[in-house]
Amino acid sequence: TQLLEQSPQFLSIQEGENLTVYCNSSSVFSSLQWYRQEPGEGPVLLVTVVTGGEVKKLKRLTFQFGDARKDSSLHITAAQTGDTGLYLCAGAKGAQKLVFGQGTRLTINP
Amino acid sequence: DAGVIQSPRHEVTEMGQEVTLRCKPISGHNSLFWYRQTMMRGLELLIYFNNNVPIDDSGMPEDRFSAKMPNASFSTLKIQPSEPRDSAVYFCASSLQTGFTDTQYFGPGTRLTVL
Repeated sequence: TQLLEQSPQFLSIQEGENLTVYCNSSSVFSSLQWYRQEPGEGPVLLVTVVTGGEVKKLKRLTFQFGDARKDSSLHITAAQTGDTGLYLCAGAKGAQKLVFGQGTRLTINP
Repeated sequence: DAGVIQSPRHEVTEMGQEVTLRCKPISGHNSLFWYRQTMMRGLELLIYFNNNVPIDDSGMPEDRFSAKMPNASFSTLKIQPSEPRDSAVYFCASSLQTGFTDTQYFGPGTRLTVL
């Protein structure tokens, strides 16, 4: 049973476009994290959101945690080729146990 | 600073053989996690340790899998006997337990192929 559903699974867009990736669940999480993974490497944490409704910005990336702490979104403005990668959301059950979504494989074309 | 170190980076073995994956966490971290990543199932937590003690092994697929952490700087994940369906990338991650949502630092992974 996949507790976290990410959409879309694959996304290919042109450099300069905007995009949004979604992470949805029927479960409530104490917090939610977004990771980025490049080929041949492990995931790297981008952000942790804790409070329902919380919005965090990381340069051109905007992360939002749903009011009910069941869902989250990642919005990228003016995508660059360096944004290419696998984006994973992970819900925290307590302080340490993470449940990961299947990931969104993002390709930014020059 | 050295990150999480995993060895080997690639392992190819035949069905029925024993496989041992190794992990050295970041110095000073007191929590260690083993994950498995496949295309079908994504990234799954297998087991995690706090202060070298296994806390949750509910993700370990079956008795063929075992993990140990004999000291704060070393952990192993063993598969015996291995099967083709065990083929995956296995990640080790470590963190400093704070009581809030910890930041987990992942190693580069071990790509296991069981023929």
